[in-house]
Amino acid sequence: EAGVAQSPRYKIIEKRQSVAFWCNPISGHATLYWYQQILGQGPKLLIQFQNNGVVDDSQLPKDRFSAERLKGVDSTLKIQPAKLEDSAVYLCASSLELGPEYFGPGTRLTVT
Amino acid sequence: DAKTTQPPSMDCAEGRAANLPCNHSTISGNEYVYWYRQIHSQGPQYIIHGLKNNETNEMASLIITEDRKSSTLILPHATLRDTAVYYCIVRVENAGNMLTFGGGTRLMVKP
Repeated sequence: EAGVAQSPRYKIIEKRQSVAFWCNPISGHATLYWYQQILGQGPKLLIQFQNNGVVDDSQLPKDRFSAERLKGVDSTLKIQPAKLEDSAVYLCASSLELGPEYFGPGTRLTVT
Repeated sequence: DAKTTQPPSMDCAEGRAANLPCNHSTISGNEYVYWYRQIHSQGPQYIIHGLKNNETNEMASLIITEDRKSSTLILPHATLRDTAVYYCIVRVENAGNMLTFGGGTRLMVKP
């Protein structure tokens, strides 16, 4: 069974530029999550989708971050404009309605 | 608020059992104990979870105390590839409930 796919794996941008990350969850998984992991810390949830609806986006900095999950499958996370403190690994995870979440390899973002 | 307490680091000799403790003294009756690990530069990997009974799978065993206030993850024969940060997380098993990661335990398996 294929796992969660993410791209790109690495991205370097300058501050104030925009960037987008893509995630393809495990087939059949209705729930999709985006996490941010700053170096030396555990992952922190940014947004959670159930099918194509948002369940929880309370930790998403909505002035610069946006996410969508069209057709309830793939998802994109966008940052516009990026700040230095957005340098982190962005992790996508998916799960069935109940049960464990399975994570992708992450996208490492460096903002200079 | 941290719901679990784990030692920040542990060492284990290769081939020996690694026993990783987790304290969750305020766990609710409907909260499961989940364990994940994160190997350097990879996404977190699901290991095992349980409610009150001990659980075993191909990766590890989970021992939960009778009062459910603590648990131990056991890697029966640790290898160098088990070197990782191990996270113990408690959560209610219902739709819409995400994982809240703490600091975890950094396990170093040594030759």
